[in-house]
Amino acid sequence: GAGVSQSPRYKVAKRGQDVALRCDPISGHVSLFWYQQALGQGPEFLTYFQNEAQLDKSGLPSDRFFAERPEGSVSTLKIQRTQQEDSAVYLCASSVTGDGYTFGSGTRLTVV
Amino acid sequence: GESVGLHLPTLSVQEGDNSIINCAYSNSASDYFIWYKQESGKGPQFIIDIRSNMDKRQGQRVTVLLNKTVKHLSLQIAATQPGDSAVYFCAEYRGGDTGNQFYFGTGTSLTVIP
Repeated sequence: GAGVSQSPRYKVAKRGQDVALRCDPISGHVSLFWYQQALGQGPEFLTYFQNEAQLDKSGLPSDRFFAERPEGSVSTLKIQRTQQEDSAVYLCASSVTGDGYTFGSGTRLTVV
Repeated sequence: GESVGLHLPTLSVQEGDNSIINCAYSNSASDYFIWYKQESGKGPQFIIDIRSNMDKRQGQRVTVLLNKTVKHLSLQIAATQPGDSAVYFCAEYRGGDTGNQFYFGTGTSLTVIP
């Protein structure tokens, strides 16, 4: 596609539920990043893939967070046993070389 | 109008005036910087970038200035328009052995008054 596509756009989860957020990067983009953006804050790095390899997951806040990109294209961010503090916008970005990401519009997760 | 991004997160300017948004970055080893614009409900959008071997770069109506001595970036928007209203983030790149990451500042909210 022309841009980075994320789904769903909005997700409401009850506390304790598991959620899965999807990212379709721009075709051919090797690098894929997940960021978490709390209300009124800048995006914070979660994890980075180069093709199917997860090269950096240092930003994942707990072991409830898991990301995968099995075929080097679509990526899924999974959050298990969601907590209220997980409420945020989850942004996906992709790039060819790592310079100048292209971001998707994000998934707004609300945990109630 | 002018702001310090991390200490004065809002800036209001009259349409047609020039805007200056400031950002202090933290890591002297950062060698690549990007300004992003984020409108409500959308992801950040690339505006302009600059590498550490430059101190100024110009785009269409935007100029980025880099002062490595004091670790300071600024974004200048000429003849600000209502469509420029958004939150602006500076992002610094820190390369590492495992990949490349951008670190974002808190952001400055720009409101253009018609």
